[in-house]
Amino acid sequence: DVKVTQSSRYLVKRTGEKVFLECVQDMDHENMFWYRQDPGLGLRLIYFSYDVKMKEKGDIPEGYSVSREKKERFSLILESASTNQTSMYLCASSGLPGRDDGGSNQPQHFGDGTRLSIL
Amino acid sequence: QKEVEQNSGPLSVPEGAIASLNCTYSDRGSQSFFWYRQYSGKSPELIMFIYSNGDKEDGRFTAQLNKASQYVSLLIRDSQPSDSATYLCAARRDTGRRALTFGSGTRLQVQP
Repeated sequence: DVKVTQSSRYLVKRTGEKVFLECVQDMDHENMFWYRQDPGLGLRLIYFSYDVKMKEKGDIPEGYSVSREKKERFSLILESASTNQTSMYLCASSGLPGRDDGGSNQPQHFGDGTRLSIL
Repeated sequence: QKEVEQNSGPLSVPEGAIASLNCTYSDRGSQSFFWYRQYSGKSPELIMFIYSNGDKEDGRFTAQLNKASQYVSLLIRDSQPSDSATYLCAARRDTGRRALTFGSGTRLQVQP
């Protein structure tokens, strides 16, 4: 089974702090993703990475950065936390499409999430 | 217009009935579609994926895809109270950006 582990289940930080959210996967997946989930807005993509040291902006990257120094680890960084970044943060990973699956059979697997509160 | 649209619900069905969850998408470049179930306070868990037109069955679940109509659905047969959750539909392009685009989810309530 795929295991995606997020470092904290709950986290409380103060406005202006630099916050690190860590995510580790054990399936040698190439792709890793960070989402945030808010009531009524669903899951929104913050950043993703296709490979080590590669990153691409998602739909809401403002106020966030990421780091992928090792294949198994993808970190989300809140440079200067603000109250509007209070949310549930979800990390996910997926493998590359295979040759015999039409290129489509690589679903994303999610970690348990980090509920982050910024006071 | 959202790229992936779902009715937020709640959709209420009696135990043992068929629950039908629907999803439409606007990006014709989407090739793969995924259904996730999310219990309150938990992370999404994958139920099924589909990428060919038609039906795909897995146990009590059937996913249906109609690319011409840009429509995806999930049928849950013999619904159980434990199926009560929010169901997320997601679409993905197989070229370019490989991240999923999610709908906001449909909340399903199965009444005992």
